[in-house]
Amino acid sequence: GENVEQHPSTLSVQEGDSAVIKCTYSDSASNYFPWYKQELGKGPQLIIDIRSNVGEKKDQRIAVTLNKTAKHFSLHITETQPEDSAVYFCAASIGTGTASKLTFGTGTRLQVTL
Amino acid sequence: KAGVTQTPRYLIKTRGQQVTLSCSPISGHRSVSWYQQTPGQGLQFLFEYFSETQRNKGNFPGRFSGRQFSNSRSEMNVSTLELGDSALYLCASSPSGSTDTQYFGPGTRLTVL
Repeated sequence: GENVEQHPSTLSVQEGDSAVIKCTYSDSASNYFPWYKQELGKGPQLIIDIRSNVGEKKDQRIAVTLNKTAKHFSLHITETQPEDSAVYFCAASIGTGTASKLTFGTGTRLQVTL
Repeated sequence: KAGVTQTPRYLIKTRGQQVTLSCSPISGHRSVSWYQQTPGQGLQFLFEYFSETQRNKGNFPGRFSGRQFSNSRSEMNVSTLELGDSALYLCASSPSGSTDTQYFGPGTRLTVL
């Protein structure tokens, strides 16, 4: 079936360094790619999203890039801070029109150390 | 605007029982999707409701069902609970569907003993 692969599963960086999380998808019809951050005891929170007609999107320290040809997209966090520590999920829309749904990657646990 | 709310937040049931979880979407949102989150399987799509109709369904057994009311509030029901149903159940609302921005609630933690 259609799936989304996410790497790495865990990532440890020092405060101030950059973090990169990568995802690949299999459905060539996918056109929406959100990223979520989930803190302990909370539901996932949207941090940034990108659509297939855009190659890159940036919001302050967070950026997402999309390579439609290679079917992969990445999350970049610069100048990491301790409060960035959380589990991050990528997702891709699977299917078309009203039949579309989001399929999620398996998550990346990011730890930002002092 | 108030966010997505889910009740109850925590629930303990025993095998064979049934459970009903509730989700109130953001005002004006007509689409509600439900997900099951477990350490082993991650976030898995259960179903989506839009304007009181189930529009999409994931690969879960018929024991999992849902409905949506005219005010867009949604409930999901799990009958004949199994130990493997222990999970965090999340609902997400969006204005019109899965390719709109989805906003998640805090989830209901279900434990089946």
